[in-house]
Amino acid sequence: GAGVSQSPSNKVTEKGKDVELRCDPISGHTALYWYRQRLGQGLEFLIYFQGNSAPDKSGLPSDRFSAERTGGSVSTLTIQRTQQEDSAVYLCASWTRAGANVLTFGAGSRLTVL
Amino acid sequence: SQQGEEDPQALSIQEGENATMNCSYKTSINNLQWYRQNSGRGLVHLILIRSNEREKHSGRLRVTLDTSKKSSSLLITASRAADTASYFCATALIQGAQKLVFGQGTRLTINP
Repeated sequence: GAGVSQSPSNKVTEKGKDVELRCDPISGHTALYWYRQRLGQGLEFLIYFQGNSAPDKSGLPSDRFSAERTGGSVSTLTIQRTQQEDSAVYLCASWTRAGANVLTFGAGSRLTVL
Repeated sequence: SQQGEEDPQALSIQEGENATMNCSYKTSINNLQWYRQNSGRGLVHLILIRSNEREKHSGRLRVTLDTSKKSSSLLITASRAADTASYFCATALIQGAQKLVFGQGTRLTINP
C-alpha cells in the first residue's frame, strides 16, 4: 500500500484479556519495527524484523508480548493477559534497504487496558 | 537508559523566532535522524545526518552533529504555528545499524 497501515486504531480491553495489533507495511519494505509509546513519553523499541533473518526481540518487555511476521509482510503484535501498564500507543514502522534506514510510521494503535 | 536524550523537554517560543533542540547520545552511531510527531500518533522523518557529516540543511531545518561530544542539534528557523509538535532524535547504532533508538522528545509550542 501507499503507507504503513495499522489496525485497530483504538482498542479498549479489560485487564487479563489478550489483544492483537496488526501492521501492514509498505509493499516491498523488508524491515518492520514495533515501538511502544506511553503518554507523553518517547518511543520504546519492542521488536525488529528484517527479511528472513531471526527477529531482534530484545525490546519485548515480558513473555506476555510476542510478534510474528507472516510471509515477510503483515505483522501481528500479541499481548496476552493485558495489564494496565500495557496502555500505550503501539507504533509500527517499516523501511527498505534500498536507502538509509529511514522509517515510515503508521498512525499507531492506541491500547487502553481498564 | 535511553540512547538519545533531548533537551529541553519542552520549548515555547513566539512565531517567527528560531527554535533549537538538542540531542545527546551515549554510544557510537552510524547516523542520527530527527522525526516529528503531531498529536501523539505516527512520526514523520525530517532529516538524516551521517556520522561523517557535521551539518545538514533542509528548508528551514538545520542539523548539526558533533561526534566528539556525542550530540546533535536541530534548528528550525522562522518558526510557524504549524511547527508545533514533538521532535525526536533517533540514533542508528554502528552495531545493529538497522535498529533506531529514540529519545524522549522535545515538545515545541509556537505561539501566534
